[in-house]
Amino acid sequence: GAVVSQHPSRVICKSGTSVKIECRSLDFQATTMFWYRQFPKQSLMLMATSNEGSKATYEQGVEKDKFLINHASLTLSTLTVTSAHPEDSSFYICSARPPLAGGVNTGELFFGEGSRLTVL
Amino acid sequence: QKEVEQDPGPLSVPEGAIVSLNCTYSNSAFQYFMWYRQYSRKGPELLMYTYSSGNKEDGRFTAQVDKSSKYISLFIRDSQPSDSATYLCAMSAERDDKIIFGKGTRLHILP
Repeated sequence: GAVVSQHPSRVICKSGTSVKIECRSLDFQATTMFWYRQFPKQSLMLMATSNEGSKATYEQGVEKDKFLINHASLTLSTLTVTSAHPEDSSFYICSARPPLAGGVNTGELFFGEGSRLTVL
Repeated sequence: QKEVEQDPGPLSVPEGAIVSLNCTYSNSAFQYFMWYRQYSRKGPELLMYTYSSGNKEDGRFTAQVDKSSKYISLFIRDSQPSDSATYLCAMSAERDDKIIFGKGTRLHILP
């Protein structure tokens, strides 16, 4: 299946610093990638949709200036948590949809391994 | 009412048993249904994908969709300890639509 790589898998930072998380689609081009946040024993909460070459679309309640998303190429999207605070500590996961293949209209979503952010 | 309801468990079953995991939903427009498996501290992994109603089988896994009842199921036959994980159901109305996830069911297979 399609492979989505996420880096770093774990990051610990001090309060007030910024952290960048990368999401790469390794074997397909993704015009759209998605960023989620997951709290312990909770489901995935969609934060934003990252569109290649244009601005990200943020879900209601997600601060655009806090969670900066850049989708500079068809294989890379980055999430930057700016001025991180302890309440930003969470598991951040990206995902991407492979493009249509052979005329089959599919909706599969492939996920990265996730990045666990701990803000001290 | 939430769009997708899923019992969070935990569900504990003995090794070798048949496991039944379920989700209900309220949006009749959903057409694409997925099951993901998520191990602790890992990203979700796509297990099964179905379009519209019906059954789909892949090895020990069978996914069922009953759109008339707005109910989907995932069955795991001959369950193994390695199947212990959280299983998330997910669905969307169109291919490019936002995917709505259930909360996930934590499954423990007891050796």
